[in-house]
Amino acid sequence: DAGVIQSPRHEVTEMGQEVTLRCKPISGHNSLFWYRQTMMRGLELLIYFNNNVPIDDSGMPEDRFSAKMPNASFSTLKIQPSEPRDSAVYFCASTRQGTYNEQFFGPGTRLTVL
Amino acid sequence: GQQVMQIPQYQHVQEGEDFTTYCNSSTTLSNIQWYKQRPGGHPVFLIQLVKSGEVKKQKRLTFQFGEAKKNSSLHITATQTTDVGTYFCADPMNRDDKIIFGKGTRLHILP
Repeated sequence: DAGVIQSPRHEVTEMGQEVTLRCKPISGHNSLFWYRQTMMRGLELLIYFNNNVPIDDSGMPEDRFSAKMPNASFSTLKIQPSEPRDSAVYFCASTRQGTYNEQFFGPGTRLTVL
Repeated sequence: GQQVMQIPQYQHVQEGEDFTTYCNSSTTLSNIQWYKQRPGGHPVFLIQLVKSGEVKKQKRLTFQFGEAKKNSSLHITATQTTDVGTYFCADPMNRDDKIIFGKGTRLHILP
């Protein structure tokens, strides 16, 4: 099993630029989660999908953030325009739908906005 | 909203000493999960506790779930440098697979 795949692993961009983060969940997993991690705020849930449908996006900080899941094997998190305070590690995680299942995290994308 | 609180936030221990982190909830939990994140890594699932008063062991790690299912602890006996990292408790909220993570306890091992 390849695990959750995220790309890019590192992204450095300038303020105002569009950033797109990508995630491929584990095959057969039908729930997908996007998290943001910073020293100050810890691990924050941004949005999650069940069967490609967004269920809860209350953690998305602003309209600058958007996420899509066009099919069961791919999701994107987009920030447009990016700001320095968006600098963080962004994790994607997936799980097989059902109560109490463990989440499998990808390696994360470290985003730096200058 | 529903939260799980972890203490301490940071802990420094000498290698070989024991370490404990605590997780508390204001509401009764259905179950609780623990994850470990190594420096520069991603959270990795360790264990899930379901039953009131449950105790589970993984080598030097002992996990407990309180009788009232409102608290949990992770105890590491005789810490090693490989134990360095952040330990998170997490509350699976019994709907839609959403999990609420605590802030974590960051463990530093002094050689």
